[in-house]
Amino acid sequence: QVQLQESGPGLVKPSQTLSLTCTVSGGSISSGSYYWSWIRQPAGKGLEWIGRIYTSGSTNYNPSLKSRVTISVDTSKNQFSLKLSSVTAADTAVYYCARGGGRWKFDPWGQGTLVTVSS
Amino acid sequence: DIQLTQSPSFLSASVGDRVTITCRASQGISSYLAWYQQKPGKAPKLLIYAASTLQSGVPSRFSGSGSGTEFTLTISSLQPEDFATYYCQQLNSYPITFGQGTRLEIK
Repeated sequence: QVQLQESGPGLVKPSQTLSLTCTVSGGSISSGSYYWSWIRQPAGKGLEWIGRIYTSGSTNYNPSLKSRVTISVDTSKNQFSLKLSSVTAADTAVYYCARGGGRWKFDPWGQGTLVTVSS
Repeated sequence: DIQLTQSPSFLSASVGDRVTITCRASQGISSYLAWYQQKPGKAPKLLIYAASTLQSGVPSRFSGSGSGTEFTLTISSLQPEDFATYYCQQLNSYPITFGQGTRLEIK
């Protein structure tokens, strides 16, 4: 059974770059026709899709964040990563990684990791 | 972007009640709609995909219907563990978007 786990700093200073990694266990990140996504959720608010990557390296980003986002994949480590540059307090949120199944669903999800942007 | 509007945003109901949550899309999305349940401090959990397909392991009291621009999630008989926030999600086109959520609370 595939499981996902986010990791990275829980505190980032304003104007710096947020960096998170999602480690996939229980299966190969390269198997099947899946893609790998990042989603975030500010406290008490709804879900915002950040972007996704296929293991081929093909990416799509949310236009609202596109200028600041980079998602990459390392198949040798069974990981994919998120970088969000020039962060502000508005980027404070729980960040989730998830596996995408075509145009149908996100499943499974990681447990989420809280990132706070503060000096 | 495709906007998803859920109604109601807040719902108070009792154990055993039948409840329905509606998700309306700003343009047609065929059946590329999923429903998730989220409990406090937890990741969203997939309930329904392709508008009406029950995810493996999800109780049969959950059901989904609809296509195009209007979709519903129905819980046939509320159980104590069903009190949570529910989100719809469209995967028809990028950017992928979510509804604003429906918070289901115990009456």
